[in-house]
Amino acid sequence: DIQMTQSPSSLSASVGDRVTITCRASQNIFMYLNWYQQKPGKAPKLLIHSASTLQSGVPSRFSGSGSGTDFTLTINSLQPEDFATYYCQQSYSTFGQGTRLEIK
Amino acid sequence: QVTLKESGPALVKPTQTLTLACTLSGISINTTEMRVSWIRQPPGKALEWLARIDWDDDKFYSTSLKTRLTISKDTSKNQVVLTMTNMDPVDTATYYCARASPVTTSYGMDVWGQGTTVTVSS
Repeated sequence: DIQMTQSPSSLSASVGDRVTITCRASQNIFMYLNWYQQKPGKAPKLLIHSASTLQSGVPSRFSGSGSGTDFTLTINSLQPEDFATYYCQQSYSTFGQGTRLEIK
Repeated sequence: QVTLKESGPALVKPTQTLTLACTLSGISINTTEMRVSWIRQPPGKALEWLARIDWDDDKFYSTSLKTRLTISKDTSKNQVVLTMTNMDPVDTATYYCARASPVTTSYGMDVWGQGTTVTVSS
């Protein structure tokens, strides 16, 4: 099975900061990579699919990059509503362990 | 507007079989490119993908759980049904169903149900 490893596991940042979350696959997954945002008590929300394509309705401060085994999610100019947990997912299956983004 | 809603028991006993239903609204389960997955999340833990069924009845399962899982469609009710056998307290979680967007090549899930919480306890 393909394993997905996210780093860091948690991150503290301030409103207006730029943050980057990384996701590494245990083998080549080409660009079959999705990113989700989850807030407490809510279902996840798709942010990025196909590694770098912004899902409709998602603010442009979110961006994704990478291919093969190494991927990044970048959030420019953090907004208060961005503080949440972020997950990467390989294609339709394995999720990373999550990155909790907290307010500094 | 496509919506999904999970239903099932809130409490099951150890060793019992769990049956969950995901009811689709606004779209038929038989629509081409319709793919529905089940995902769970234990309290305070990460998401775990469980299984997927496609419009053409192709089925996919988590390697670690495939001996306990069965996913199926009930077209008369426009539902996707997941059964999980031999439930254990570690299976306590919120269970979500979600649709893979038909416009992605990476099967990103763009529509999610609200989730249903299942507790396994005697």
